[in-house]
Amino acid sequence: AAGVIQSPRHLIKEKRETATLKCYPIPRHDTVYWYQQGPGQDPQFLISFYEKMQSDKGSIPDRFSAQQFSDYHSELNMSSLELGDSALYFCASSLGRTAEAFFGQGTRLTVV
Amino acid sequence: GQQLNQSPQSMFIQEGEDVSMNCTSSSIFNTWLWYKQEPGEGPVLLIALYKAGELTSNGRLTAQFGITRKDSFLNISASIPSDVGIYFCAGQAQGGSEKLVFGKGTKLTVNP
Repeated sequence: AAGVIQSPRHLIKEKRETATLKCYPIPRHDTVYWYQQGPGQDPQFLISFYEKMQSDKGSIPDRFSAQQFSDYHSELNMSSLELGDSALYFCASSLGRTAEAFFGQGTRLTVV
Repeated sequence: GQQLNQSPQSMFIQEGEDVSMNCTSSSIFNTWLWYKQEPGEGPVLLIALYKAGELTSNGRLTAQFGITRKDSFLNISASIPSDVGIYFCAGQAQGGSEKLVFGKGTKLTVNP
């Protein structure tokens, strides 16, 4: 079965650079979530989109922005990167605004 | 904010033993989910629970949604080496948001 696809899997950036993470949800899923997971931590909710509109916002820094496109894929844009932004970033998708979210394999971002 | 208290933090067991872990909260949750995460990978959905008192099985895994809607447990029977990983509970709280709040995880080690 098709799963959530994230790209790239790994990304190394320098401080103050920008990064764009992409997420392709499971086909027919209309809700996308972004989570950040630091080393040894649980996933922390950043932002979600339902039917291409932002539906909820968590602890997402102002330096980050995201959107969901007409084909339901989503992108997380991160600017002025800081060392503390180094983490695993997961995208998840669901059908409707249900809790049954399926996660991608994540993007490991390293800021040096 | 909503918090999930997950215990135990880690478990070291012998192959063949049964395992039990639980999550509690001071808030009411509409949905409880259990995920398993292996190093460098995304969380994999194991079981989703939608009704208070619901008991659901998935192979050797059994999970229950507490009657008070403030707790859930996960049991793994006859553990095998591939059960190794970090198990997270996650909940979707009342109030219309679809975001998931995660517990801190239970790290399971199974000795052959």
